[in-house]
Amino acid sequence: KQEVTQIPAALSVPEGENLVLNCSFTDSAIYNLQWFRQDPGKGLTSLLLIQSSQREQTSGRLNASLDKSSGRSTLYIAASQPGDSATYLCAVTIGANSKLTFGKGITLSVRP
Amino acid sequence: DTAVSQTPKYLVTQMGNDKSIKCEQNLGHDTMYWYKQDSKKFLKIMFSYNNKELIINETVPNRFSPKSPDKAHLNLHINSLELGDSAVYFCASSGRGLQFFGPGTRLTVT
Repeated sequence: KQEVTQIPAALSVPEGENLVLNCSFTDSAIYNLQWFRQDPGKGLTSLLLIQSSQREQTSGRLNASLDKSSGRSTLYIAASQPGDSATYLCAVTIGANSKLTFGKGITLSVRP
Repeated sequence: DTAVSQTPKYLVTQMGNDKSIKCEQNLGHDTMYWYKQDSKKFLKIMFSYNNKELIINETVPNRFSPKSPDKAHLNLHINSLELGDSAVYFCASSGRGLQFFGPGTRLTVT
């Protein structure tokens, strides 16, 4: 049974800091991995999708890496801003139209 | 132009009532899902439909019954609501391995 872990559950950093959010999964036979952002009381916004054959994806100040063999992914946020404050969720799937298995998320607070 | 929409956004009801949540996607996807986010913010799959056929049914009480009248719609009907059903319910659809989520329906059972 696939389990996704995100530690720590919460993180507080000063504005401008570069930071790394970690995600680990127990079954390396994944199809892809997605990072989502969730603002309080809102839905999920997809940030980055990494296919199992890829090592990393970049979008603006965000960079996600994937090491499938070790069951790990990281989300790197450069030059953090208060607007980055949100909960970041990692999720994996075993097929193109299969369910997502989510981690519990990391709640990030960027202090001005 | 909303990709995945849900109605209602908020639903407050009493124990024992029956309620429905509607979901529609205009992305042309074949697969749709219902997820539940509990009070601890943990998101978990409930159901998945592909081309109107049920393909995933996690261990969800049979008081929950999804219905897919066509590929663009997946509704969730809940009978005999219980306090523990209070949560945020998210609808999603997928295409090319990427899942798109609706804004969520916050259900409160009193």
